Amino acid sequence: QKEVEQDPGPLSVPEGAIVSLNCTYSNSAFQYFMWYRQYSRKGPELLMYTYSSGNKEDGRFTAQVDKSSKYISLFIRDSQPSDSATYLCAMSRSGGSNYKLTFGKGTLLTVNP
Amino acid sequence: DAGITQSPRHKVTETGTPVTLRCHQTENHRYMYWYRQDPGHGLRLIHYSYGVKDTDKGEVSDGYSVSRSKTEDFLLTLESATSSQTSVYFCAISGLPGNTIYFGEGSWLTVV
Repeated sequence: QKEVEQDPGPLSVPEGAIVSLNCTYSNSAFQYFMWYRQYSRKGPELLMYTYSSGNKEDGRFTAQVDKSSKYISLFIRDSQPSDSATYLCAMSRSGGSNYKLTFGKGTLLTVNP
Repeated sequence: DAGITQSPRHKVTETGTPVTLRCHQTENHRYMYWYRQDPGHGLRLIHYSYGVKDTDKGEVSDGYSVSRSKTEDFLLTLESATSSQTSVYFCAISGLPGNTIYFGEGSWLTVV
């Protein structure tokens, strides 16, 4: 079983739709959870950052972490064509000198005008 | 944007030649990383550094070496490039453990 699983899509939605993106993971030691957005031929940019369980909201974006189910989600409300990108989940164990992220493979999202 | 500069941004090289990619940061962050990204594999960690002259291997380190002689610079070297190393390479930086990781714009490498 891979440490992090993410449905690669592609996912195509109409403008204004609510988008739900998800990742599951197997390692209960993960404590830091992130979502990155990556436009074509660009580097990943940090979208949301969450420590441990709970919800976090930033504008149209909401990140949820359910550690009991080992499941994280990113919701995008009122989706826009500019949200069309690949979304990567990432997570990490606690800090220390070996701090590094494990990524999902990404979900390709297209928002159609 | 995080102060990360990768060079070169694009390079075509021949099999068997050495290649060095450079990552330069202006954030004075302790942690620096090299990832490669390939279709079907996603982002995979090659090597990382947790301080000057302190480096460690990631999950796909074979065929790669790194060096960090200054806080701001992290070099990735392909000693003898192979076609399987054709990829896009991303440098990333992070401050304290648990802090967010920021990526550079990528270096596209083609080995022919």
